[in-house]
Amino acid sequence: GAVVSQHPSWVICKSGTSVKIECRSLDFQATTMFWYRQFPKQSLMLMATSNEGSKATYEQGVEKDKFLINHASLTLSTLTVTSAHPEDSSFYICSAAKTGGGGTDTQYFGPGTRLTVL
Amino acid sequence: DQQVKQNSPSLSVQEGRISILNCDYTNSMFDYFLWYKKYPAEGPTFLISISSIKDKNEDGRFTVFLNKSAKHLSLHIVPSQPGDSAVYFCAASYTGGGNKLTFGTGTQLKVEL
Repeated sequence: GAVVSQHPSWVICKSGTSVKIECRSLDFQATTMFWYRQFPKQSLMLMATSNEGSKATYEQGVEKDKFLINHASLTLSTLTVTSAHPEDSSFYICSAAKTGGGGTDTQYFGPGTRLTVL
Repeated sequence: DQQVKQNSPSLSVQEGRISILNCDYTNSMFDYFLWYKKYPAEGPTFLISISSIKDKNEDGRFTVFLNKSAKHLSLHIVPSQPGDSAVYFCAASYTGGGNKLTFGTGTQLKVEL
């Protein structure tokens, strides 16, 4: 199997507060996890690559001080949205890369977290 | 620059018929391609993948075809079922790219009774 969980599934917070989202690979170890953001009726936008034991790699235009990523173990990565503002409201999805036959990696996605900042 | 394109935002098919979803890419470095299915407010579910060394991969009702010279891939679903109604994303990656996926814009498939 390849199951990835996310917690919480939805969160509502006040502007200026910080929110932490957890991503776990439940039945495999993942040295690499990814964080995406999806706006309504749009594709998934990669925010950052999370590597176990090292700093995350952020995509262009993504503020690393705003979106803190910690890949604490081979099964857990966290995304913290710091000082959240209404424009941060979105659907955040994580994925974990599982190595398959032939050395190719397939990303398995979590169910997503709906963040609403009031 | 949209490197992976799904030119049909929506597709409607009758139950039992074949659904064909298309995807084009521009980056010749891509060597691994995947299809995901996504329901609203859920994460994408992996369906099937294909490496650039192959031109076809089949898994049950799902078959992916890759035409490297045309930089085109397609997903065939046969027979289509109402439960297949969802948004389908194709995605691509390349060796040495850190497993990063580039997603297409998605095609909304509706399978009608």
